[in-house]
Amino acid sequence: DARVTQTPRHKVTEMGQEVTMRCQPILGHNTVFWYRQTMMQGLELLAYFRNRAPLDDSGMPKDRFSAEMPDATLATLKIQPSEPRDSAVYFCASGLPAGPNEQFFGPGTRLTVL
Amino acid sequence: SQQGEEDPQALSIQEGENATMNCSYKTSINNLQWYRQNSGRGLVHLILIRSNEREKHSGRLRVTLDTSKKSSSLLITASRAADTASYFCATDSNTGKLIFGQGTTLQVKP
Repeated sequence: DARVTQTPRHKVTEMGQEVTMRCQPILGHNTVFWYRQTMMQGLELLAYFRNRAPLDDSGMPKDRFSAEMPDATLATLKIQPSEPRDSAVYFCASGLPAGPNEQFFGPGTRLTVL
Repeated sequence: SQQGEEDPQALSIQEGENATMNCSYKTSINNLQWYRQNSGRGLVHLILIRSNEREKHSGRLRVTLDTSKKSSSLLITASRAADTASYFCATDSNTGKLIFGQGTTLQVKP
């Protein structure tokens, strides 16, 4: 049963700390997306990769956020330093290399910054 | 900026009734997709309709697309309590990414 996995599922941290979220896309998927979901803003695209190369990270605050794909099985999203306004659910999604742009979402990481 | 605008924002119906949600968008699209999100979970793809299609069915789901009005609707027939969730439309404008609407929260009362 292929699915996107994300770790950790929940993270509580204090302001100023570094946060790293990890995502394992579905094997064979070559596009990976990072989203942030809040009640106020809804679902926002932060960054996306194709074949491990970043294609668009315009939705990401560059001063504190960074996204990478060290290899095809791992995508990371880092926040350093974290702030209370970063509290949200962060989703990773992956997509097939060809065909319609259907996305498969992971269960999300719920981040709380105190 | 959001591409899709959905209405209503919230919908409450009785089990067995039909639920209709609408989505409007701004730019030309390659396809439009609907996703469901159960509380505390990730989004799940429901159905995709291409820009050259007008209607599509999948089980109890019926999706329509009117590209002249830049709008789509999702109809869930004979709703069940298990259909309680948030529903999102997402547009694909062939940029490689999807733009999601704010979603409609559906509550189906048993």
